[in-house]
Amino acid sequence: SAVISQKPSRDICQRGTSLTIQCQVDSQVTMMFWYRQQPGQSLTLIATANQGSEATYESGFVIDKFPISRPNLTFSTLTVSNMSPEDSSIYLCSGRTGGGQETQYFGPGTRLLVL
Amino acid sequence: GNSVTQMEGPVTLSEEAFLTINCTYTATGYPSLFWYVQYPGEGLQLLLKATKADDKGSNKGFEATYRKETTSFHLEKGSVQVSDSAVYFCALSGGSYIPTFGRGTSLIVHP
Repeated sequence: SAVISQKPSRDICQRGTSLTIQCQVDSQVTMMFWYRQQPGQSLTLIATANQGSEATYESGFVIDKFPISRPNLTFSTLTVSNMSPEDSSIYLCSGRTGGGQETQYFGPGTRLLVL
Repeated sequence: GNSVTQMEGPVTLSEEAFLTINCTYTATGYPSLFWYVQYPGEGLQLLLKATKADDKGSNKGFEATYRKETTSFHLEKGSVQVSDSAVYFCALSGGSYIPTFGRGTSLIVHP
């Protein structure tokens, strides 16, 4: 199994500013993902964080708006840049273990409100 | 592409009632299937999983069987409790699959 922590757990930010969310996994995972979840909605995959290389973004998400880093197998950051109220959401970090029993685990989420 | 379809919610039940939440999927090959639960204000927690056809995942009284012939992974529990009130997500993942989630089904259990 994997335990995933995120910082900050919540934040209130001003329009036009940027916020970096940190994700730490307590064990090595093969893949890490970042999701967005609007209240009462399902998860939308933003990108797959690749170790040591550029993240792979899903349709509708771009690196300039959501830069992602993954310097090693257990840590990743997501930055929400030049924020607007439409970016208010829950941002979830996720890691997938490998080794034939692949399972995806989630962090507790970062609740972001942009004013 | 891959997709997961869940029944619409909310599902409202009385305590000790039988629960079924339907989930069907579309995918090429043989993904692993998962159920996650999200309690209010929290992240997603893995509830159970099945990695191949006919596998049954179970946890905390919940069960789901990987049915390849019907491409389904329905969640069941024989007797629900108020504390089971949450949103339940069906998902497929594994190997080269991009994790794909259903829309979530809200369960409300009344005393």
